[in-house]
Amino acid sequence: AQTVTQSQPEMSVQEAETVTLSCTYDTSESNYYLFWYKQPPSRQMILVIRQEAYKQQNATENRFSVNFQKAAKSFSLKISDSQLGDTAMYFCAFMFPETGTYKYIFGTGTRLKVLA
Amino acid sequence: DAGVTQSPTHLIKTRGQHVTLRCSPISGHKSVSWYQQVLGQGPQFIFQYYEKEERGRGNFPDRFSARQFPNYSSELNVNALLLGDSALYLCASSPLGGAVSKLFFGSGTQLSVL
Repeated sequence: AQTVTQSQPEMSVQEAETVTLSCTYDTSESNYYLFWYKQPPSRQMILVIRQEAYKQQNATENRFSVNFQKAAKSFSLKISDSQLGDTAMYFCAFMFPETGTYKYIFGTGTRLKVLA
Repeated sequence: DAGVTQSPTHLIKTRGQHVTLRCSPISGHKSVSWYQQVLGQGPQFIFQYYEKEERGRGNFPDRFSARQFPNYSSELNVNALLLGDSALYLCASSPLGGAVSKLFFGSGTQLSVL
């Protein structure tokens, strides 16, 4: 069975500083994708960044980057130059294709608070 | 362009009742999926529909059902509500049913079962 573990329930960071959110996963699948989603108080989940498992290069999106360690099954998110608008719940998600469809498995989330 | 819209935003029901939640995908998106997010947890996959056909089902009892209409909007139905069904129900749409499609989420329906 696939599992996603986020071991940090809450984190805080000073504005303009850098913070890293941890995520580990367990799977026997060889073809999969990993995601970080952000859920602000508005409740709408927003895609932050995506990583294909077959790509060795770590994904980056502006201030957001990942450290993907496939052998260790680790997928951490680094947020540089943190902004107040980054305050939200962050969910790590694992997605794998299944016959005719795909399945997402989400972690339990990390609540990030950016302090002024 | 309008994003994914869900209605209602909040709902209060009592045990044993039935509920219908609605979702309108982004225009042009043919795939809709439903997730249940219990307080303090991550979203759990319930259903995926693509081109009006069920493509995937999570580990939920038969009290949960869904359908997709010709205009690609979708309904999630839950019968015989239990207290444990209290949760935020999220709908997500994507352009295709394929594995690499990015999900676009709505703001959810908060269901409280008393």
